[in-house]
Amino acid sequence: DSGVTQTPKHLITATGQRVTLRCSPRSGDLSVYWYQQSLDQGLQFLIHYYNGEERAKGNILERFSAQQFPDLHSELNLSSLELGDSALYFCASSPQLGEQYFGPGTRLTVT
Amino acid sequence: TQLLEQSPQFLSIQEGENLTVYCNSSSVFSSLQWYRQEPGEGPVLLVTVVTGGEVKKLKRLTFQFGDARKDSSLHITAAQPGDTGLYLCAGARMDSSYKLIFGSGTRLLVRP
Repeated sequence: DSGVTQTPKHLITATGQRVTLRCSPRSGDLSVYWYQQSLDQGLQFLIHYYNGEERAKGNILERFSAQQFPDLHSELNLSSLELGDSALYFCASSPQLGEQYFGPGTRLTVT
Repeated sequence: TQLLEQSPQFLSIQEGENLTVYCNSSSVFSSLQWYRQEPGEGPVLLVTVVTGGEVKKLKRLTFQFGDARKDSSLHITAAQPGDTGLYLCAGARMDSSYKLIFGSGTRLLVRP
């Protein structure tokens, strides 16, 4: 158990819908990273928040957004969902700017 | 653009054999991490290497960071069926984020 929690574990929704994925970092970790893992792309960095502020963006679609709240939990919002958005979404937390500990992931299926 | 090339992609060996997985890049990384991932679960951090030439051992696993901090290797001695899984290397760039760039992974199967 990494200490990082993610909800929900599984999510099935239809195209065009909007979903919110939630991540709670390890106690004391200020950084939250979001990654997408698909069969053909592997693990890809989406976005990084540090102590409530956005630090870096990867190849994140404009339909996707995220935020980190004062209690340091983070949410990843995915809207206008397409079939190609089906993937595993992971968050990872880090104490500062170092090692990252991954949560169990949310499996998103868009039908 | 795949900045981290991992090889081999697949490896099927007999229990007791040794193996090495390679992770190569043309870019310099401030640190490199190795993860192991089981199907449907999150990657589990095995080790972080930071200094060029650094060698770290974790029981039967030996990790090495290249002198120029562009490549790394994972060597497993006397592999066991419990070592089966997906091994991922990930490099962190020296910027304000330390976001990870992942290799494509090596899927290892150790047959009893």
